[in-house]
Amino acid sequence: EPEVTQTPSHQVTQMGQEVILRCVPISNHLYFYWYRQILGQKVEFLVSFYNNEISEKSEIFDDQFSVERPDGSNFTLKIRSTKLEDSAMYFCARSGGEEKETQYFGPGTRLLVL
Amino acid sequence: DAKTTQPTSMDCAEGRAANLPCNHSTISGNEYVYWYRQIHSQGPQYIIHGLKNNETNEMASLIITEDRKSSTLILPHATLRDTAVYYCIVRVSNSGYALNFGKGTSLLVTP
Repeated sequence: EPEVTQTPSHQVTQMGQEVILRCVPISNHLYFYWYRQILGQKVEFLVSFYNNEISEKSEIFDDQFSVERPDGSNFTLKIRSTKLEDSAMYFCARSGGEEKETQYFGPGTRLLVL
Repeated sequence: DAKTTQPTSMDCAEGRAANLPCNHSTISGNEYVYWYRQIHSQGPQYIIHGLKNNETNEMASLIITEDRKSSTLILPHATLRDTAVYYCIVRVSNSGYALNFGKGTSLLVTP
C-alpha cells in the first residue's frame, strides 16, 4: 500500500498561533484520521473523517481543533491557538483502499510550540 | 474495544524468531486482532491482522489461539531493523473507528 504524505515534516510555532498540518492521501481512500503522540507517551486518537464529515472524535479533539478536506485532496488539521502542551508528533492515517478497514499511517509532523 | 495485555519489553537475537505475545481475554466475536509497530518516532506501521485463523504475510505470522483469548506475533528471522515498539490492538473491522494504542512491547533485536 502506498504511504500517506504529510507536510510539513517539522513545524515550530509560538504559543497562541494557528497551525495547519496537511495530509495528502490517495484519492480513493475514504476514511482519514488524525492521531498525536506526545513525546514519551502513547499514540492517541484525535478524529476520523469520512465524506466531509467527522465520523468519530476523542475528548482530546476540543474546540481548538478542526479538520477539513477543502480541495478534495489534502486533509488538514487546524489548531487554532496553540498551547505548549500541543507539542507532539501528529500522524495522519487513511483507510479504504484494497484492504478497506486497515489504517495506514503517514510519517508524521513534529510540532513544537514555544 | 477489548483490552490487551503485552509484556513491556523483550529481547531477541538477530536471525532468531521473535515471538511477541498478547492477551485479549475479553475479545468479542466480531473483533479482530491487529498488530502495528513503531520504529523510533516514525508513524505506526501496519503488520498484520486476523480474526480467528492464523495469518501470514511477508512481514510476520499471527497465531491466534482457538479460544481467541490470546495471540502471538512471530517475526521469523528478526533483524536489527525490527527493533521497535509492537502494538497489539483489538477492534471491530470497520472503517472510521479509532485504533486504541496501548504501551506495546518494546522489542530489542541484538547482534
